[in-house]
Amino acid sequence: GIQVEQSPPDLILQEGANSTLRCNFSDSVNNLQWFHQNPWGQLINLFYIPSGTKQNGRLSATTVATERYSLLYISSSQTTDSGVYFCAVDSIKAAGNKLTFGGGTRVLVKP
Amino acid sequence: DGGITQSPKYLFRKEGQNVTLSCEQNLNHDAMYWYRQDPGQGLRLIYYSQIVNDFQKGDIAEGYSVSREKKESFPLTVTSAQKNPTAFYLCASSPQPGGYTFGSGTRLTVV
Repeated sequence: GIQVEQSPPDLILQEGANSTLRCNFSDSVNNLQWFHQNPWGQLINLFYIPSGTKQNGRLSATTVATERYSLLYISSSQTTDSGVYFCAVDSIKAAGNKLTFGGGTRVLVKP
Repeated sequence: DGGITQSPKYLFRKEGQNVTLSCEQNLNHDAMYWYRQDPGQGLRLIYYSQIVNDFQKGDIAEGYSVSREKKESFPLTVTSAQKNPTAFYLCASSPQPGGYTFGSGTRLTVV
């Protein structure tokens, strides 16, 4: 099946700093989503972005489907940005809209 | 408000007991999914359903069963055959194609 690798695995930021999270995947995809998991376990959808660039406030994401990677940018980080960020993809070869998750990037924003 | 409701939030199971986790959605999504998350790990697909009265095994279906009698509901039963059921269980739904929306999860502990 499709492989999804996220980097870095852990990230410690000072409040106000910018950062970039990366997601590499091993095959062509129909669907790519970025999620934020808060300390209570809730998974919040940040972006549905199989290709192109999107922005939502301080967050933006870019997927370059032909090169099989996606980037999530966090600008002016806040302590509420702490948590785990997951990238998940649906392989174009797989039947159905089934997401395969990467291992996540654990982000800690210090005040 | 449209969304996904999972219940209960916390569940304790005795050895040899079957338990059922509830998942209800009012988003009018065709597809529904169950994922398992172990501490510090990503999410793994247990079962998914693309349409009423049909469902498919995911990557780790052994020891679990599901039903999809109504579009809105996709309950998961953790049977006594599941040897290590302690985990965080997340339900999701999506249009086809389209992005996932997740519920808030159920934490299952074997006592």
